[in-house]
Amino acid sequence: TQLLEQSPQFLSIQEGENLTVYCNSSSVFSSLQWYRQEPGEGPVLLVTVVTGGEVKKLKRLTFQFGDARKDSSLHITAAQPGDTGLYLCAGCGGSNYKLTFGKGTLLTVNP
Amino acid sequence: NAGVTQTPKFQVLKTGQSMTLQCAQDMNHEYMSWYRQDPGMGLRLIHYSVGAGITDQGEVPNGYNVSRSTTEDFPLRLLSAAPSQTSVYFCATSVNGGASPLHFGNGTRLTVT
Repeated sequence: TQLLEQSPQFLSIQEGENLTVYCNSSSVFSSLQWYRQEPGEGPVLLVTVVTGGEVKKLKRLTFQFGDARKDSSLHITAAQPGDTGLYLCAGCGGSNYKLTFGKGTLLTVNP
Repeated sequence: NAGVTQTPKFQVLKTGQSMTLQCAQDMNHEYMSWYRQDPGMGLRLIHYSVGAGITDQGEVPNGYNVSRSTTEDFPLRLLSAAPSQTSVYFCATSVNGGASPLHFGNGTRLTVT
């Protein structure tokens, strides 16, 4: 079973601060996805990374896939209250049909 | 364009009762899946289907049955509910399995007393 460890589990910061969320595994993934989930809703895809070392930017969010394709990070610059939510990473590894999810990082951005 | 529709949104069952959670999609996606989300456990895959007539087990399949008679629908059946099945259930679809972005419904919150 491939596992994805996310850290930190909880993060509470003030508006305007920067933060980084990590997603680590001992397994290699062919691709890795990041989702954001708001209360009462299903997760929504933010980005997919597929190439080792790849960096993708989505406005104030920067996603990086590790060179060995075992880890990923999400960096948010100048966080805003609208960034509040549960951030989930998910990896596609041995089976194309079984996506493995991390347990998530619950981010709260206080105004 | 509704995307992924799950019904009901909330359900309370007594131990031993049966029920079916419905999932319907209008995106013509071949891949459909069911996850459960529990505090501290993340999202865990229950069953999935890669097309009509084809289903397979995920990480936590015990106590759940599925069938896929059409591309659009993928119901999840609880034959004899147990308190351990109290959870939020999500249906998710994609064009082609885990390599493609998953589209989630808004979930069914199930409580088994």
